[in-house]
Amino acid sequence: GDSVTQMEGPVTLSEEAFLTINCTYTATGYPSLFWYVQYPGEGLQLLLKATKADDKGSNKGFEATYRKETTSFHLEKGSVQVSDSAVYFCALRGSTLGRLYFGRGTQLTVWP
Amino acid sequence: GAVVSQHPSWVICKSGTSVKIECRSLDFQATTMFWYRQFPKQSLMLMATSNEGSKATYEQGVEKDKFLINHASLTLSTLTVTSAHPEDSSFYICSANTGGTYNEQFFGPGTRLTVL
Repeated sequence: GDSVTQMEGPVTLSEEAFLTINCTYTATGYPSLFWYVQYPGEGLQLLLKATKADDKGSNKGFEATYRKETTSFHLEKGSVQVSDSAVYFCALRGSTLGRLYFGRGTQLTVWP
Repeated sequence: GAVVSQHPSWVICKSGTSVKIECRSLDFQATTMFWYRQFPKQSLMLMATSNEGSKATYEQGVEKDKFLINHASLTLSTLTVTSAHPEDSSFYICSANTGGTYNEQFFGPGTRLTVL
């Protein structure tokens, strides 16, 4: 079945460091891929998405490229800020319309 | 983007009582809504898929008699935790599909339930 494997955290970085959070997936067909962010005590917010192979999603300095050959959708940011501290979830929407499959989440903490 | 609200944002109740959580799509009609449960520092666990006007589809292992879901209109779904116990304490999050060509899913802010 469909599933997402996400790099385990926590990840701790200094401000302006480079961020990579790995995400790989297993799916039948052609899933859409998402990154969500959850700030403390809040629900999930869509950060970026990609709907087909080689698409690059980007938002707020974050990027992720849909790699079908490696079944990956790694999240990157060139220079993190303290305000980026949150939990990041990789997700896919596969064969079942609307149903999302989430990774376990990666806690990111950025120190000034 | 579309907005999904949840009410209440947090609730504390005594063991044995029932608690109702509302999920509303504020500026769009949602034929499908989802209910998730999130334990501390863990991922979201899908509990059920709620379709307007029909019975909810529950995931394996979720007790339908304990977690009653009603999707009475295109903008409202409710989750009732019946006879709540401390192990039901959790963060409950709903989401709603916009449908249509893009069929995006938007999440509510979550409800923190604490059962004493």
